[in-house]
Amino acid sequence: ELKVEQNPLFLSMQEGKNYTIYCNYSTTSDRLYWYRQDPGKSLESLFVLLSNGAVKQEGRLMASLDTKARLSTLHITAAVHDLSATYFCAVDRHETSGSRLTFGEGTQLTVNP
Amino acid sequence: NAGVTQTPKFQVLKTGQSMTLQCAQDMNHEYMSWYRQDPGMGLRLIHYSVGAGITDQGEVPNGYNVSRSTTEDFPLRLLSAAPSQTSVYFCASSYGTGAEQYFGPGTRLTVT
Repeated sequence: ELKVEQNPLFLSMQEGKNYTIYCNYSTTSDRLYWYRQDPGKSLESLFVLLSNGAVKQEGRLMASLDTKARLSTLHITAAVHDLSATYFCAVDRHETSGSRLTFGEGTQLTVNP
Repeated sequence: NAGVTQTPKFQVLKTGQSMTLQCAQDMNHEYMSWYRQDPGMGLRLIHYSVGAGITDQGEVPNGYNVSRSTTEDFPLRLLSAAPSQTSVYFCASSYGTGAEQYFGPGTRLTVT
């Protein structure tokens, strides 16, 4: 059974600071996704990581994937209040029949002025 | 494009009632999925489809049925609602394996 664990689950940080969210998963996979969810809203796709060593950046967020360690990170640089949201990582379980995601519990990020 | 649409946005059912949550996409995506989101548990896969006429069970399929008669539509049926099915339901679609998944706005269901 595939398990996906995120930590921390709750993160309160000050504007301007840097921090990293970690996503560990339990079985072999080279397809990992990061999503953002605002309260009461749907999920917004942030990054799709499809190979070992993949690194993607968008604004103040950078995601990476290490398939050998079964670890992905989401790094936040110089946080701003607008980044406050819940962030989920999700892992795809099958190579041939895609779109079967297993999600982590989510990291609730609060950026304080 | 409207993307992924879901109806209704909110629904209240009594225990034992049945209903269908609707999901449609206009992006010609082959893959569609249903997830439920409960507080503190992330999203869990209920059922998924890799194309018209093909469906399979996900992680938590009990109490739900699906069918996929067209590429565009993927309805989720609750056979006999139970309070444990109180949740937010999201439909998602994607172009193929490894592709970005697009999520609908969600249906908030309460079963009393």
